[in-house]
Formats: sequence, C-alpha cells, structure tokens
Amino acid sequence: DARVTQTPRHKVTEMGQEVTMRCQPILGHNTVFWYRQTMMQGLELLAYFRNRAPLDDSGMPKDRFSAEMPDATLATLKIQPSEPRDSAVYFCASGLGAEDNEQFFGPGTRLTVL
Amino acid sequence: GNSVTQMEGPVTLSEEAFLTINCTYTATGYPSLFWYVQYPGEGLQLLLKATKADDKGSNKGFEATYRKETTSFHLEKGSVQVSDSAVYFCALTSGSARQLTFGSGTQLTVLP
Repeated sequence: DARVTQTPRHKVTEMGQEVTMRCQPILGHNTVFWYRQTMMQGLELLAYFRNRAPLDDSGMPKDRFSAEMPDATLATLKIQPSEPRDSAVYFCASGLGAEDNEQFFGPGTRLTVL
Repeated sequence: GNSVTQMEGPVTLSEEAFLTINCTYTATGYPSLFWYVQYPGEGLQLLLKATKADDKGSNKGFEATYRKETTSFHLEKGSVQVSDSAVYFCALTSGSARQLTFGSGTQLTVLP
C-alpha cells in the first residue's frame, strides 16, 4: 500500500527555533509538492519539485523557508527562524507529473509555534 | 491566473438527503478538474476528476460534470451518509502548472 509519509506528525516549538519537516514521496513519483493549510488562507502551494529540481517556490517566504530534495526518497521543508504565524498544517504530496494526474497527499505535519 | 470559487459552508444535511456543492473556475487553457475530500485529521484524497469538457467523474456515489460553457464542476450525490461528513475541495490544474489550485473548501456534516 504505497503512501506518502510525513514526519513529525505534530510539532510544538518556540518562536525563533528551527523546524524541519520531512516527506517521503511514493516510490516512482517524480513530482513533489509542499502545501500549507490554515483556516484563514486555506490550502496554499509553497514549493514544487520535479525530478528533484525546484520548479516553483514563489509561494514560500524566502527569508525563512527553504525546501530541498536531497534524494528521490526525501523532501524537506525547513523554517528558520520560526514565527507564530507559521502555525499551520503542512502537507506534502507526490505524483507522476502529468497535468491530469492525481496528487497523493501525506497525513500532514501540524506545526504550532508559540 | 487560475482560481476556483467554491460554495461557502458549512453544509448540514440529514442522512439520505441530496447533496450539491457548487464549484466554478477561471483558468487559462483547458484545465483538468478535481474534487478532493479531507476527513478529520487526515490528508486530502482524490474523490473524482474530469479532464475535458462534458466528462463526468464519479466515485462512491458522487458525480461531477465538467461544464466548459458555464466553467463549472458541481459535486452531487443522491443520498448522503453520515460517513460522508468531511471537507470537500474543488481544484484544478492547467497548462504547464502541475500544482493544484484549490477552492476554499466546504465542510459537510451529515446527521443520522
């Protein structure tokens, strides 16, 4: 049963601390997406990779957020320093890259920054 | 740019009632259209999709028809169940952009 996995599932941290979220896409998928979900903004795209190369990170605050794919089995989203307004659920999704392909979502990381 | 406008929620229905959740879109080119569902505490799951005009997507009793003339993709189900309680998102992809553009989501609660 192929699934996208994300760790940690929950993270509580203090303002100013570094946060790293990890995602393992489904084996064989060549596109990876990071989304953020909040009550106020809904679902927003933060970054998008194809074949491990970043294609679009225009939705991501560049001064504090960074996204990487060190290899095909791992995607990371890092926030440094974290702020209370970063509190949200962060979802990773992977897919096969065609326009009409389904994206498979992970269970999310619920981040709370105090 | 691309955008999706979705019926505001929350929607509360009794079991076996008819469901409609409206969705309209703006997109360049010919988008692919999707409905995703999110159950409490979980990630989003694809419910159904349609990739060209007049296509009908269907799954688990839910249906939606891609209407190019009205730029709509309304979700319907003839008889809802308590287990259908979730948040439903209309979404699209268009052109070279592979990322999903989501609507705001509609919370559905079905009462026994």
